[in-house]
Amino acid sequence: GAVVSQHPSRVICKSGTSVKIECRSLDFQATTMFWYRQFPKKSLMLMATSNEGSKATYEQGVEKDKFLINHASLTLSTLTVTSAHPEDSSFYICSASLDSSYPNYGYTFGSGTRLTVV
Amino acid sequence: ELKVEQNPLFLSMQEEKNYTIYCDYSTTSDRLYWYRQDPGKSLESLFVLLSNGAVKQEGRLMASLDTKARLSTLHITAAVHDLSATYFCAVTPSGGGADGLTFGKGTHLIIQP
Repeated sequence: GAVVSQHPSRVICKSGTSVKIECRSLDFQATTMFWYRQFPKKSLMLMATSNEGSKATYEQGVEKDKFLINHASLTLSTLTVTSAHPEDSSFYICSASLDSSYPNYGYTFGSGTRLTVV
Repeated sequence: ELKVEQNPLFLSMQEEKNYTIYCDYSTTSDRLYWYRQDPGKSLESLFVLLSNGAVKQEGRLMASLDTKARLSTLHITAAVHDLSATYFCAVTPSGGGADGLTFGKGTHLIIQP
């Protein structure tokens, strides 16, 4: 239980275009979701915290106008990378927190999206 | 600023050997998480350590937490090739699920036959 489905798993886009990444909680309601970015051979860095029905909270140094986050329902959060550039190429992972009623208590992660901007 | 320091960052070891990965952190949180990541994949949850002195074991992996020392360890016993992966520890500022995780840099573990 408590699965987060993330799509697409891989996307290649041209520089200057926008890409939308979706994360859906399949069997639970995610009031809060988190978006991370991971560059090759690096750790995960928290980009923003997405709260259902309110504005996302961005970490220092993350451009909110470039990385648009929408959390319009309890089961869907989206990250849109606007005017993508090659330096935005990365592995993006979403996550939701789970309470102790779940076997995988803590945080559950989506399968990730590999974004390549050419 | 919350800091999470893992060491070693790279570890090459032989099968059947034992080794320990260390995770030091700066928050006062009493909760710490361990994850495994295979190349090109997302994170797999290994352990959630919820209190001082917590010890959890799964197969050849055992994790412990000392909140007073702000130190967690991930011990590998009699390593096998299948355990080759990158291991991350992570904490939150408050320990609760309302905050995102701050990760260590990860330990890239290679286990050779």
